[in-house]
Amino acid sequence: AQSVTQLDSQVPVFEEAPVELRCNYSSSVSVYLFWYVQYPNQGLQLLLKYLSGSTLVKGINGFEAEFNKSQTSFHLRKPSVHISDTAEYFCAVIRDTGRRALTFGSGTRLQVQP
Amino acid sequence: DADVTQTPRNRITKTGKRIMLECSQTKGHDRMYWYRQDPGLGLRLIYYSFDVKDINKGEISDGYSVSRQAQAKFSLSLESAIPNQTALYFCATSDSRGNTQYFGPGTRLTVL
Repeated sequence: AQSVTQLDSQVPVFEEAPVELRCNYSSSVSVYLFWYVQYPNQGLQLLLKYLSGSTLVKGINGFEAEFNKSQTSFHLRKPSVHISDTAEYFCAVIRDTGRRALTFGSGTRLQVQP
Repeated sequence: DADVTQTPRNRITKTGKRIMLECSQTKGHDRMYWYRQDPGLGLRLIYYSFDVKDINKGEISDGYSVSRQAQAKFSLSLESAIPNQTALYFCATSDSRGNTQYFGPGTRLTVL
């Protein structure tokens, strides 16, 4: 089985500052990794994913994440946030083979202040 | 039009009532999923279906049942609703590779 830990439940940050949202996972098999974003009163939207290849993954809206296998981490970063980035962010993993479904972390609420 | 739709978007019901939440998709995907979201717990998998005749329990299936009426439709039922089933419910779909899931807008269910 897989598990995902998002270390921060809330991250307040000022506009134009950099931000990092942390995600660690546990799995006995190889996994694929995802970050989803949920804007207020909306469903989840895929930000980026790591399936294979380069460990630095770029996504939409200027976000990027780096897969670190040795530390079992997949932290999300943005060099300069905007008010519109205020949302809840979910890290998720899925086994890379077999019958599988996503396992989500508990979420991190990013609050961008002016 | 949205690729994944859920009806109703909001529902208030009473303890003991039977409730059905419906999900439809136009993406042509084989796989469909039902999740519930609770504050501080993220999303937890209730049921998933890899095709019309392949339905599987997720981590929190007790108190729920599902029906896959067609490739495009996947319904979630609460046979006898209870207050701790108050939550935001999401339907999702993916293709046969299952690597990326696409989510509907959610149904907010309140059980009084």
